Amino acid sequence: EDQVTQSPEALRLQEGESSSLNCSYTVSGLRGLFWYRQDPGKGPEFLFTLYSAGEEKEKERLKATLTKKESFLHITAPKPEDSATYLCAVQAGDSWGKLQFGAGTQVVVTP
Amino acid sequence: SQTIHQWPATLVQPVGSPLSLECTVEGTSNPNLYWYRQAAGRGLQLLFYSVGIGQISSEVPQNLSASRPQDRQFILSSKKLLLSDSGFYLCAWAGGGNEKLFFGSGTQLSVL
Repeated sequence: EDQVTQSPEALRLQEGESSSLNCSYTVSGLRGLFWYRQDPGKGPEFLFTLYSAGEEKEKERLKATLTKKESFLHITAPKPEDSATYLCAVQAGDSWGKLQFGAGTQVVVTP
Repeated sequence: SQTIHQWPATLVQPVGSPLSLECTVEGTSNPNLYWYRQAAGRGLQLLFYSVGIGQISSEVPQNLSASRPQDRQFILSSKKLLLSDSGFYLCAWAGGGNEKLFFGSGTQLSVL
């Protein structure tokens, strides 16, 4: 059975203090690993898709990397507006959109 | 541009009452549509998906059903709500070559 485990559950950072979030996955035949950002009471917002080990993608202060067993979301010099829950998901099945999500990492960045 | 509408934003319902949540998508045709549920402290769980009008696939056995009466309309229903149906319900459509999921703003359902 496909599984996605995210750690830590929660992370509190000072503004400018870089850190990494981990997403470990078990899936037969990875077709895509996704990162989403979710603000309280809102729907998740797409950040990245990674397809193969060694792939990296960047967006502003965020950088996602992928190995054969895990993915990391690096937050460089975070700002308070980076506070959110970050969700990792893997594609399970033939249909895009049928995703297996982790429970998320709640990030709080304080000034 | 494409937009997704989902309502209501919050809903408080007694146990045993019916449910109808509606989702509509604008700016695209024949989208793949999805209903996810997010329980407190847990990851999103896929409930239903649809690749076209009248075509519904259920991912988990449950007290809920889904329908797609029009190309860009997706409805989540229940005849009798249970306490365990409480959660944050999210509608989504697959875009960007079906690579990305675009989520609605969600409905927070509390069954009391």
